[in-house]
Amino acid sequence: DAGITQSPRYKITETGRQVTLMCHQTWSHSYMFWYRQDLGHGLRLIYYSAAADITDKGEVSDGYVVSRSKTENFPLTLESATRSQTSVYFCASSLAGGPPNEQFFGPGTRLTVL
Amino acid sequence: GESVGLHLPTLSVQEGDNSIINCAYSNSASDYFIWYKQESGKGPQFIIDIRSNMDKRQGQRVTVLLNKTVKHLSLQIAATQPGDSAVYFCAETMTNDYKLSFGAGTTVTVRA
Repeated sequence: DAGITQSPRYKITETGRQVTLMCHQTWSHSYMFWYRQDLGHGLRLIYYSAAADITDKGEVSDGYVVSRSKTENFPLTLESATRSQTSVYFCASSLAGGPPNEQFFGPGTRLTVL
Repeated sequence: GESVGLHLPTLSVQEGDNSIINCAYSNSASDYFIWYKQESGKGPQFIIDIRSNMDKRQGQRVTVLLNKTVKHLSLQIAATQPGDSAVYFCAETMTNDYKLSFGAGTTVTVRA
């Protein structure tokens, strides 16, 4: 049971480059989420998706784009990376939206923008 | 600013002792609270949750207490073990709302 996986686990890129972070879940969960984690801020929601082809912005969505053509995949793209986007990115999924449905988190991608 | 916060960013505890991690929240509309554990290099993992109609909920070696009057919740870990060393986050939300508001986290270090 693979659960929820993220790739790559580590990425170094340069300012201005486009980079895509991948997220894949094997549970057929309807909801998927992208968070970023920065020291002192906990986790902040970037984007979420309630189902395939349905996405919406979170609190820190500027500079990010998502798509969800298939239920199991939810890629996050930084169209033109900036140093402020250096962070650890977590993908999560849940069977449905909101409690008591638990959000399950992937292992994270550590992104460094030089 | 964040609506959920932690009183202490770090906690050092002797193995075998009990740990208490505190969290304050400011959104009085929140009715569902969750504690997560995050080990180094891993994603957050659900520990325990509590609804606002409860004051206390117990799990395996963990207890969550909720005081709605002062908007405070705590996580108690009994007989703390080395494997409990991690960052602990509280999160608040509302029933059927997908949005979680996380606190900054408390780092717990267990001394042998």
